[in-house]
Amino acid sequence: DAGITQSPRHKVTETGTPVTLRCHQTENHRYMYWYRQDPGHGLRLIHYSYGVKDTDKGEVSDGYSVSRSKTEDFLLTLESATSSQTSVYFCAISDRPPGLAGGSGGELFFGEGSRLTVL
Amino acid sequence: GDSVTQMEGPVTLSEEAFLTINCTYTATGYPSLFWYVQYPGEGLQLLLKATKADDKGSNKGFEATYRKETTSFHLEKGSVQVSDSAVYFCALIATDKLIFGTGTRLQVFP
Repeated sequence: DAGITQSPRHKVTETGTPVTLRCHQTENHRYMYWYRQDPGHGLRLIHYSYGVKDTDKGEVSDGYSVSRSKTEDFLLTLESATSSQTSVYFCAISDRPPGLAGGSGGELFFGEGSRLTVL
Repeated sequence: GDSVTQMEGPVTLSEEAFLTINCTYTATGYPSLFWYVQYPGEGLQLLLKATKADDKGSNKGFEATYRKETTSFHLEKGSVQVSDSAVYFCALIATDKLIFGTGTRLQVFP
């Protein structure tokens, strides 16, 4: 199994508080992603990183920020949590760019998820 | 934009039954197609993939064939087991992002 650790695994917080989720990998993979999983929506990309200090927005980035100061760590921050951000958050990693010919760029390895509840 | 449509779940089957989970896609160009599986309490893991028309991906008894003419990538298994109970996600890459369908829950009973 790919060495991906998400923390915390479960968190309950109140509206308006800041929250940071951490993704730590031991695979030295360059590409890292944060997704959220919600019923009826599947997985949606929040932010992604193609290297240290190289990040970009996904399809549902509003209300979220990320940072990647080291290859192994990718942090997702909710500056002021809202109830609509109650979700399960997954980190994923890859050693190949997503558009790599032959489809091997689509082989992502996922963490076990972080369940966030915003009251 | 690019998208993936999966059949609604849950799909409920008895052990040893035949499984089909439908997946169709919309994409510009020639996407690569994937099936990911999520077992209870875990993250997703790649089940199989196909990168061009008429390719068949297979793994653990599951198969899916890339059908360009019908823009489909249906997942099949001839005889399901209780241990196959999970959520199955169809996905594609057309340019630079992996796009997932909404997932289909499979429940297999003894």
